[in-house]
Amino acid sequence: QKEVEQDPGPLSVPEGAIVSLNCTYSNSAFQYFMWYRQYSRKGPELLMYTYSSGNKEDGRFTAQVDKSSKYISLFIRDSQPSDSATYLCAMTPLGQLTFGSGTQLTVLP
Amino acid sequence: DADVTQTPRNRITKTGKRIMLECSQTKGHDRMYWYRQDPGLGLRLIYYSFDVKDINKGEISDGYSVSRQAQAKFSLSLESAIPNQTALYFCATSEGQPGEKLFFGSGTQLSVL
Repeated sequence: QKEVEQDPGPLSVPEGAIVSLNCTYSNSAFQYFMWYRQYSRKGPELLMYTYSSGNKEDGRFTAQVDKSSKYISLFIRDSQPSDSATYLCAMTPLGQLTFGSGTQLTVLP
Repeated sequence: DADVTQTPRNRITKTGKRIMLECSQTKGHDRMYWYRQDPGLGLRLIYYSFDVKDINKGEISDGYSVSRQAQAKFSLSLESAIPNQTALYFCATSEGQPGEKLFFGSGTQLSVL
């Protein structure tokens, strides 16, 4: 079993929809949690960064961490076609990151 | 100009050939990384370097070697390429803060025939 599991999708939603992307993990030592966004033929770019449990909001994006359930989520409100990308979760106890396999999202105009 | 630059962007080579992928950065970060990305497997760490004199193996280092020529330059070599090394390769840098926020290059698509 992988340390980090992520539904690969693909996920297709209409413009304006609320999107929920999720990852589960098995290592209870993970305490830093990140979401990266990757456009086609580009490198991943850091989107959200959280430490320990709780919520963090940045514009239309909200990252949520539930350490008791070993579950993290990324919510995208009022989704736009420009949000179409692959979203990768990543996490670490302190140093090297472990990545999920990524969820491919398409937002249809 | 990009902060993390990878060359070449695309490379097609034959089994058994030696190839080098290059990475340079202008972010001033000490830490540099090489990852490969395969469909369904996400990003896997090949090698990483915390400074010019420090090189460490990652999760999947077999068949690869690296050289840290300067703080800003980190190259990845495949000594004898094989088809299952066909993948998208990324170089990344970080400041070294807890949690390792990574900054990635645009990647090199490598095909080994």
